[in-house]
Amino acid sequence: AQRVTQPEKLLSVFKGAPVELKCNYSYSGSPELFWYVQYSRQRLQLLLRHISRESIKGFTADLNKGETSFHLKKPFAQEEDSAMYYCALTTDSWGKLQFGAGTQVVVTP
Amino acid sequence: EPEVTQTPSHQVTQMGQEVILRCVPISNHLYFYWYRQILGQKVEFLVSFYNNEISEKSEIFDDQFSVERPDGSNFTLKIRSTKLEDSAMYFCASGRMENTEAFFGQGTRLTVV
Repeated sequence: AQRVTQPEKLLSVFKGAPVELKCNYSYSGSPELFWYVQYSRQRLQLLLRHISRESIKGFTADLNKGETSFHLKKPFAQEEDSAMYYCALTTDSWGKLQFGAGTQVVVTP
Repeated sequence: EPEVTQTPSHQVTQMGQEVILRCVPISNHLYFYWYRQILGQKVEFLVSFYNNEISEKSEIFDDQFSVERPDGSNFTLKIRSTKLEDSAMYFCASGRMENTEAFFGQGTRLTVV
């Protein structure tokens, strides 16, 4: 069965410091990986997906198939990055998402 | 910008009662989903719906649950005979095509007392 692991429940960083959110997955095939973000009192929204290879709001994530990881990184955290971040994968054509437990990021000034 | 809309935002119901959670997906989307998140736990997939039928469901989605798209715009989740453990945040999502971005609603918090 597929699994998504986010080992950190809470990450507290200072503004301007780098931030890295870890995500590991278990799946023998080629999944599609996503990062979703939920800001306070807002809905879940897509931050980025591995196939697009974009940088969104300064965040990047690289799929490492050897390490089965999809860590999210930002070199300089901003206060507005404080949110809950969920790593997710899909392996089927129906788009069903399997989520990790989420990492709460708190950026302090 | 179009959004997925869910009503109500909070529903309190007595154990054993039936509840219907409502969702209006984005109008040109074809794929619809329900997820739930029990407090303190991860977001879990319940069911996906495409072409007027269930395409996939999780083991959570037992006979107590059903989904319907009654009028081409609404997408509902019915929970029959609610249990205390059904208390959770329920999220509706929709997508235009498979494996593309899923757009989520703001959620309905269901509290079973």
